[in-house]
Amino acid sequence: QSALTQPASVSGSPGQSITISCTGTSSDVGGYNYVSWYQQHPGKAPKVMIYDVSNRPSGVSNRFSGSKSGNTASLTISGLQAEDEADYYCNSYTSSSTLVVFGGGTKLTVL
Amino acid sequence: QVQLQESGPGLVKPSETLSLTCTVSGGSMRSYYWIWIRQPPGKGLEWIGCIYYSGSTNYNSFLESRVTISVDTSKNQIFLRLSSVTAADTAVYYCARGGVNAPLLPDNWGQGILVTVSS
Repeated sequence: QSALTQPASVSGSPGQSITISCTGTSSDVGGYNYVSWYQQHPGKAPKVMIYDVSNRPSGVSNRFSGSKSGNTASLTISGLQAEDEADYYCNSYTSSSTLVVFGGGTKLTVL
Repeated sequence: QVQLQESGPGLVKPSETLSLTCTVSGGSMRSYYWIWIRQPPGKGLEWIGCIYYSGSTNYNSFLESRVTISVDTSKNQIFLRLSSVTAADTAVYYCARGGVNAPLLPDNWGQGILVTVSS
C-alpha cells in the first residue's frame, strides 16, 4: 500500500512555528478536500487536530492550522509548546482500492 | 462526547481468527460510519475498513479477503473479525467514529487494544 509521504522528523524550539508536509497524488490528497491530521502521544490513541483540510475541532488550540496546495497538505503549529511533542499523521481519501491512506507519520521534537 | 471501548482477546494463535468488539457510549450510532484501524508496534496506521450503522461495509482491499465488520445497534457495538492471522497482524487495534463530511476518516478514537499473534 502506498502511504502519503511525510518527513520522518521535525523539530523546533518553544515559541517557534513548524510545518509538517503530507505529499500524495491527484488520486488522494490532490483529488479530495478530505485530509485529516492526528496527534499521537506515546502509548495513547490518535487525536484529530485538523479535519477537512483546514477545520479545527472544538477544543483544539488555534495554534494548529491546516492547508493544502495541489497534492500536498500541510499542518502548521505555531507557538510551539513542550506538550506538542508527539507523532503526527495525515490521512486522506484515495481513489485506489484501499479507500483511505495514511501518511507514515512525523515525530515532532520540541527542543 | 461519544466514547468507544475496544475489547477482546489480547493473544491469538497463528491461523486462527481475531475477534474484537467496540462498544459505543454517550452518543447514537445512527447516521455515522464506524471504522477499524490498526497500528503495528512502532509503526504507522493502517485503515482496515468501516461499517455504516445500517450495516453496509467498505474494506481495505489488501485485507478484504480476511476481514468482516458487523454492527449491532441494539447493543451499541461494532465487531471486527480477521481470519487466518499471522505475526504480521500483531498490532494495536482501534475503533473510531467517522467524520461528518468525510465519513471514512476517523474523528473520534477508542483507546485501542493490543492483539498479539503468537503460538
